[in-house]
Amino acid sequence: GESVGLHLPTLSVQEGDNSIINCAYSNSASDYFIWYKQESGKGPQFIIDIRSNMDKRQGQRVTVLLNKTVKHLSLQIAATQPGDSAVYFCAENRATNFNKFYFGSGTKLNVKP
Amino acid sequence: DAGVIQSPRHEVTEMGQEVTLRCKPISGHNSLFWYRQTMMRGLELLIYFNNNVPIDDSGMPEDRFSAKMPNASFSTLKIQPSEPRDSAVYFCASSLQGATEAFFGQGTRLTVV
Repeated sequence: GESVGLHLPTLSVQEGDNSIINCAYSNSASDYFIWYKQESGKGPQFIIDIRSNMDKRQGQRVTVLLNKTVKHLSLQIAATQPGDSAVYFCAENRATNFNKFYFGSGTKLNVKP
Repeated sequence: DAGVIQSPRHEVTEMGQEVTLRCKPISGHNSLFWYRQTMMRGLELLIYFNNNVPIDDSGMPEDRFSAKMPNASFSTLKIQPSEPRDSAVYFCASSLQGATEAFFGQGTRLTVV
């Protein structure tokens, strides 16, 4: 079946360092790939998306890279802060007809002060 | 807007009882999603609605689960009868049709004993 999955379940980084969270996907028909952040006790929150015809997109302190050749997605967080500690999910979306989101299993990011 | 509002935040019930979870989407959003989150299975899409119409309920685990959206500002997810394996956090999310950003509620933590 179609799936969106993550390589690393837990990532620990030092405050101020850059973080890279990876995601593998299997469905080549997705229109968009999206990163969500979930803090403890809260619902997921949208971070950034990238359309399937793009390779890179930058936001505020975050960059998403898409490698369609190997079906790999990554989220880079610059100058990681304690407030970045959360679980990060990648998701795929097909907006062709009705939008439908499928989420990967998540990576927990621990930022050490 | 107050965002997506779910109630109750916590629910503890006995096996066999009926459970109803409620959701108020963001005003103006025409897509609504119900997700279930567990440690073992991650975020699972149960059902989604577009313009109050159920589009895809293939994620609903079994007939004990049902969802309704009687109008644009309210949706329910009902489990009858509930079982211990239904224990999870249930999220409701809403979005504009075709948008990549879905807005999640705070979730309902359901415990079936």
